[in-house]
Amino acid sequence: DAMVIQNPRYQVTQFGKPVTLSCSQTLNHNVMYWYQQKSSQAPKLLFHYYDKDFNNEADTPDNFQSRRPNTSFCFLDIRSPGLGDAAMYLCATSRALESSYNEQFFGPGTRLTVL
Amino acid sequence: QKEVEQNSGPLSVPEGAIASLNCTYSDRGSQSFFWYRQYSGKSPELIMFIYSNGDKEDGRFTAQLNKASQYVSLLIRDSQPSDSATYLCAVNGGPGYSTLTFGKGTMLLVSP
Repeated sequence: DAMVIQNPRYQVTQFGKPVTLSCSQTLNHNVMYWYQQKSSQAPKLLFHYYDKDFNNEADTPDNFQSRRPNTSFCFLDIRSPGLGDAAMYLCATSRALESSYNEQFFGPGTRLTVL
Repeated sequence: QKEVEQNSGPLSVPEGAIASLNCTYSDRGSQSFFWYRQYSGKSPELIMFIYSNGDKEDGRFTAQLNKASQYVSLLIRDSQPSDSATYLCAVNGGPGYSTLTFGKGTMLLVSP
């Protein structure tokens, strides 16, 4: 089945220790998104790639970086995690075509804990 | 600043009843509207989307859109305990490439 996969599902890191979260997709979608979601809050878009073009949201901290080496994979790097970065990190994909309505499909998420 | 507003709930309904979830949005240029279901600790799952004024039905779910009032709703008929979840409303600018703006979601509790 075509899907969005995130690894790991649970990540524990120490304050200030870099961490990388990964996302892969078999949907062949050209857009990939990273969201941060904290308890009882809306998913907050951090950035997204339209093919190889990187689009950063204005309020995304510099501590968050992303890489997309190919169509299938996208990574989220947190350079120096703080306690406030503990959250669920969601990867989503969409097929951005003029004829589509840009439905986004989410992976299962990675729950990040910062000690 | 685009905003999507939802009542946080919880909305409590008995099993078998109709649950009505509401959402308002600020950007009058918005064209596509999405409902996602999110179980506790899980990721959002797309239920349905709507882009034309009126009703769109899919099984027990009906989405309703009124662009003049900037209002979109989701009706769940014959509610089941398994429908207990948070329902997120999301809005984007239209066909093709556009990012979504999410509401905070409404928690629905269906009691047996």
